[in-house]
Amino acid sequence: QKEVEQDPGPLSVPEGAIVSLNCTYSNSAFQYFMWYRQYSRKGPELLMYTYSSGNKEDGRFTAQVDKSSKYISLFIRDSQPSDSATYLCASQESGNTPLVFGKGTRLSVIA
Amino acid sequence: DAGITQSPRHKVTETGTPVTLRCHQTENHRYMYWYRQDPGHGLRLIHYSYGVKDTDKGEVSDGYSVSRSKTEDFLLTLESATSSQTSVYFCAISEEQGTKQYFGPGTRLTVT
Repeated sequence: QKEVEQDPGPLSVPEGAIVSLNCTYSNSAFQYFMWYRQYSRKGPELLMYTYSSGNKEDGRFTAQVDKSSKYISLFIRDSQPSDSATYLCASQESGNTPLVFGKGTRLSVIA
Repeated sequence: DAGITQSPRHKVTETGTPVTLRCHQTENHRYMYWYRQDPGHGLRLIHYSYGVKDTDKGEVSDGYSVSRSKTEDFLLTLESATSSQTSVYFCAISEEQGTKQYFGPGTRLTVT
């Protein structure tokens, strides 16, 4: 079992919808959690970075970590066609350990 | 792409030939990483570097070697390319190990 599991989708939503993207993880030692956005044929772009449990908000994006249930979420409000991309979650135990990525969820926002 | 360039961006090569991919950064970050991305596997770490001439293996290092003679350059070499190494290769950098990694644009490698 891969340490970070992510539903590959694809997920298709209408413009303006609230999008919920989720990952689960199995390693209770994970402390750092990230979300990357990757457009087709581009490199991953760091969207959100959080440490331990809690919420972090940046504009239309909110990252949520629930360590008790080992659940990571990314919410996108007022979704736009430009949000259409693959979203990757990643987790890490500490600065001395590698990032472990989920396989990514492909999102399409339809105008 | 956070001051990271990768070259070449596309390459087609034959099985058994050596291939070197280059990652160049202008951020003066200490840590550099090479990943490969494949359908069904996601991003997997090949090798990383924590300073000039200091490197270590990642999850899928077999068949790859790396070198870092300058802070700004990190080279990935496939000594004898195989079809299983057909992939998209990404370089990443971070100021501190592991945290907030920033990725380059990628190199699409096809081994025929």
